[in-house]
Amino acid sequence: DTAVSQTPKYLVTQMGNDKSIKCEQNLGHDTMYWYKQDSKKFLKIMFSYNNKELIINETVPNRFSPKSPDKAHLNLHINSLELGDSAVYFCASSQVRWGSGANVLTFGAGSRLTVL
Amino acid sequence: QKEVEQDPGPLSVPEGAIVSLNCTYSNSAFQYFMWYRQYSRKGPELLMYTYSSGNKEDGRFTAQVDKSSKYISLFIRDSQPSDSATYLCATKSGGSNYKLTFGKGTLLTVNP
Repeated sequence: DTAVSQTPKYLVTQMGNDKSIKCEQNLGHDTMYWYKQDSKKFLKIMFSYNNKELIINETVPNRFSPKSPDKAHLNLHINSLELGDSAVYFCASSQVRWGSGANVLTFGAGSRLTVL
Repeated sequence: QKEVEQDPGPLSVPEGAIVSLNCTYSNSAFQYFMWYRQYSRKGPELLMYTYSSGNKEDGRFTAQVDKSSKYISLFIRDSQPSDSATYLCATKSGGSNYKLTFGKGTLLTVNP
């Protein structure tokens, strides 16, 4: 039973199209994230939601819009896709325990987006 | 200067070797230090995490943090071909900060 699942796993599309990636977690965590990993394996945070509230919004073009319908789901919609958007997008979740400070992320398997 | 610097390698060692992977960081506020392992075409998975300075051992893996020099290390003893993966260090500050800052990852290959 997959803890953090993303769909689709692979996505090939043309420049200018709009696409969405979906993520679901069954761990009961209250915080979810989108990370982008480029071809050099650099993992960079894009967004984070805690109990459906946006808490991290890094410098990301506004063509990227996250949506969290409930705390178990976090979707990413991308408008007007560009070549530079080609990357692997990882969804992750965590349960931050107040006072402990630790924040252990559980990642999904990734969604590989290729923009032609 | 990037907040977390990590030599991307690649690093290739023979089976049984001791592997040393390292990161440096610049933000003194970082208190939590993690190592994630990422196999090809998979998501990163947590290997170890430590709080503040010191060592932590788990089987063949030892994580070491030296806050005075802002240096993080992961040692792998008796390396196995199954250890071949990309290793990413990550840090965060204390309190309610949710944001992990990752290094670029080091690609390790252990040859049989």
